[in-house]
Amino acid sequence: LAKTTQPISMDSYEGQEVNITCSHNNIATNDYITWYQQFPSQGPRFIIQGYKTKVTNEVASLFIPADRKSSTLSLPRVSLSDTAVYYCLVGVLGSARQLTFGSGTQLTVLP
Amino acid sequence: DTGVSQDPRHKITKRGQNVTFRCDPISEHNRLYWYRQTLGQGPEFLTYFQNEAQLEKSRLLSDRFSAERPKGSFSTLEIQRTEQGDSAMYLCASSLAIDEQFFGPGTRLTVL
Repeated sequence: LAKTTQPISMDSYEGQEVNITCSHNNIATNDYITWYQQFPSQGPRFIIQGYKTKVTNEVASLFIPADRKSSTLSLPRVSLSDTAVYYCLVGVLGSARQLTFGSGTQLTVLP
Repeated sequence: DTGVSQDPRHKITKRGQNVTFRCDPISEHNRLYWYRQTLGQGPEFLTYFQNEAQLEKSRLLSDRFSAERPKGSFSTLEIQRTEQGDSAMYLCASSLAIDEQFFGPGTRLTVL
């Protein structure tokens, strides 16, 4: 089982770029990396997903090095509304393994 | 609103009682998932359905828990003989095949 390790918490200021790193040393060949965001009293929301190199969408970028043993979620120019818990998930798409959330990273954006 | 809906949003019950939660997924989504989340922890996978078939169940899903998805549309999660340790947020999500999951607002269960 590909266990993930993330920082428990991070602080940032409005307008800064935030990078959250997730370690997954035991990632398997068929595993994908997925990030979700969760606000208090809401269900998680999908942010981005990738397999290798770099993936970018309208809200974030995901950087995955060649060995795939870690990944970095990059949030450009954060605002107060980006304060949330961010989860990194690793596993085969559609499998229960891919559906395993860790404890996540609490990101707090300060004014 | 065409998102995932859950009912009720809050449920308070006494220990030993049975409770049932309902989830209505996004209409064209064929996969439906149930999770449990306790304070300060990430969601824990319970089970998922592809159409009406229950494909996988977590070890967390003891014999007091049962889930159904008749006709591959809405789903129900029942907890029998509730215990205080069952107090949590129960989340439902749906997806189209193995695509990203869309979560509902959750049902918060409090067992007294």
